[in-house]
Amino acid sequence: AQSVTQLDSQVPVFEEAPVELRCNYSSSVSVYLFWYVQYPNQGLQLLLKYLSGSTLVKGINGFEAEFNKSQTSFHLRKPSVHISDTAEYFCAVTGRDSSYKLIFGSGTRLLVRP
Amino acid sequence: GAGVSQSPSNKVTEKGKDVELRCDPISGHTALYWYRQSLGQGLEFLIYFQGNSAPDKSGLPSDRFSAERTGGSVSTLTIQRTQQEDSAVYLCASSTRDRGSPLHFGNGTRLTVT
Repeated sequence: AQSVTQLDSQVPVFEEAPVELRCNYSSSVSVYLFWYVQYPNQGLQLLLKYLSGSTLVKGINGFEAEFNKSQTSFHLRKPSVHISDTAEYFCAVTGRDSSYKLIFGSGTRLLVRP
Repeated sequence: GAGVSQSPSNKVTEKGKDVELRCDPISGHTALYWYRQSLGQGLEFLIYFQGNSAPDKSGLPSDRFSAERTGGSVSTLTIQRTQQEDSAVYLCASSTRDRGSPLHFGNGTRLTVT
């Protein structure tokens, strides 16, 4: 079985500052990892994913994440945030086994202030 | 094309009543997921359907919850004898069989049990 821990429930940051949203996972098998974003009053959408290959993956809106197998982490980063990045961010994991179950973390609310 | 459609968008019911929530996935998507989103709790996996395979029901919180998927398309989540703790947003998502493909989420059904 897999689980996901998002260590920060809320991250306040000033506009144009860098940000890192933390995600750690637990799994007995190799994994695929995802970040989803939920903007205010909108549905969830995929931000980026790690399936294989380069451990640094780039997504939409200038976000990137790095898969670190030894630390079982998949932290999300952006060098300079905008007001429009204010949203809830969810890390998710699925195992590379027969199950397609996708497990989400509890979410991190990114609050960008002017 | 049309996205994932959920109905109703809002449902208010009295404690003890049964409710049915409906999900119309994207045409051609073989995978269908139900999640529950409560404030501060993230997305809680409920159930997963993949084609004609037996569903993964491991996330259903009690035997009051059940779901079916007819003809590999429309799905219905049923909650019997609703309790106040069932109040949440119920999200449906669909995807292709490709493990790396994104989940497409509906806008959810907000259930309030009074």
